[in-house]
Parts: sequence; structure tokens; C-alpha cells
Amino acid sequence: LAKTTQPISMDSYEGQEVNITCSHNNIATNDYITWYQQFPSQGPRFIIQGYKTKVTNEVASLFIPADRKSSTLSLPRVSLSDTAVYYCLVGDRRAGSYQLTFGKGTKLSVIP
Amino acid sequence: DGGITQSPKYLFRKEGQNVTLSCEQNLNHDAMYWYRQDPGQGLRLIYYSQIVNDFQKGDIAEGYSVSREKKESFPLTVTSAQKNPTAFYLCASSIQQGTREQYFGPGTRLTVT
Repeated sequence: LAKTTQPISMDSYEGQEVNITCSHNNIATNDYITWYQQFPSQGPRFIIQGYKTKVTNEVASLFIPADRKSSTLSLPRVSLSDTAVYYCLVGDRRAGSYQLTFGKGTKLSVIP
Repeated sequence: DGGITQSPKYLFRKEGQNVTLSCEQNLNHDAMYWYRQDPGQGLRLIYYSQIVNDFQKGDIAEGYSVSREKKESFPLTVTSAQKNPTAFYLCASSIQQGTREQYFGPGTRLTVT
């Protein structure tokens, strides 16, 4: 099973770009990398997913190097409302089905 | 508005009582999931269902039961056999099982005393 490792917490000032790196040394060939965001007392929300190189949407960018053993979620110009826990997930195939395994995530605190 | 609803938001029960948490979705999704989250922890999968009348155990199914009689509904029963039932319970759905994008409900915070 592919495991992920990410920092427990990060602080950033408003307006800065934030990069959260996740390592997944045992990622399988056909696994995608997915990121979720969770605010306190709410369910997680899908942010972005990718397989290789770079993916960008209206919320974030995801950078994945060629070896795919890590990935970096980039949040441009964060605001106070970006304070949340961010989860990095990779595939988890069990008995032919695909499950999401959530670790503890990275708690991002945006400071005014 | 399409989405997932969970009710109630807060639930209190006495130890030894079974309690059922509601989860409804109008997204026409085939797959539904139940997760448990403890303070400062990630989510752990309790049960999931790929289609109506079918469901499988997740990582921590002991002390829980589910049913999937309708596509829209996936209720979770926390039984008295669950040793530490106090937690935040999250229901999610996806277009099909195996899709990485899951849509989560607002959660139910269960407190058992």
C-alpha cells in the first residue's frame, strides 16, 4: 500500500504562495495523486489530482516530478480562508477496488 | 441544489444504545462511503457501497452496520458493540467506486456518554 508523508503543520502570511510537499515513495505505476482540503467540522473537499508533470486549476497547482515519488501542492497568494488541513492521497487498491486513505494531513495556518 | 446531506449535525446517546446516522445524496452517484474522524486524525473508512444492495467493510467496520436499499441513501448504525463510538462521522459519494473525487457531506458529530 502506498503511504504518504507530509509535514504536520505550516504557517504562512496572507498573500504568499504556499507549497506543501508530499512524499510517496511506493506509488504504483497507475496511481494518481489527489489532494483534499478540510475546514474544521466539515467534510473534505477535492482540490486537484494529477498523474505526472503539472496540473493547474482555478484553486491550485500540482507539481509532480518525473519519478513521481513526491508531489507539491501550490496555493497562490493564500488568504485567511485557506486556513485548513490539506491531505495528500495516492491510490490504494484492495481486492480490485480503489479506496482513498487519508493520513493526518498538513494543517496550514494563514497569518494576517 | 445537488449534494449530500447528513442528519443530525450533533447527536448524543447513552452508552449501550444503538444509533443510526442518516446520509442522503441526490447526485445520482453509484458509490457511497462512511468515514470516521477522531480529533487531530485523518479519516478512516468504515464501510463502502458500490451499488444498491451491496456493501463492503472498510478498515474499521467492527461495531458498525450499514444498508443500501436505495441509491440515494446509505445509513450507518453505530451499535453498542463499538467500543469508542464518540467521533465525527462523514458520509461521501462518488460517481462510481474507484473514482478519486469523492463528495463529502457536512458530517455528524456523535457523542456517547
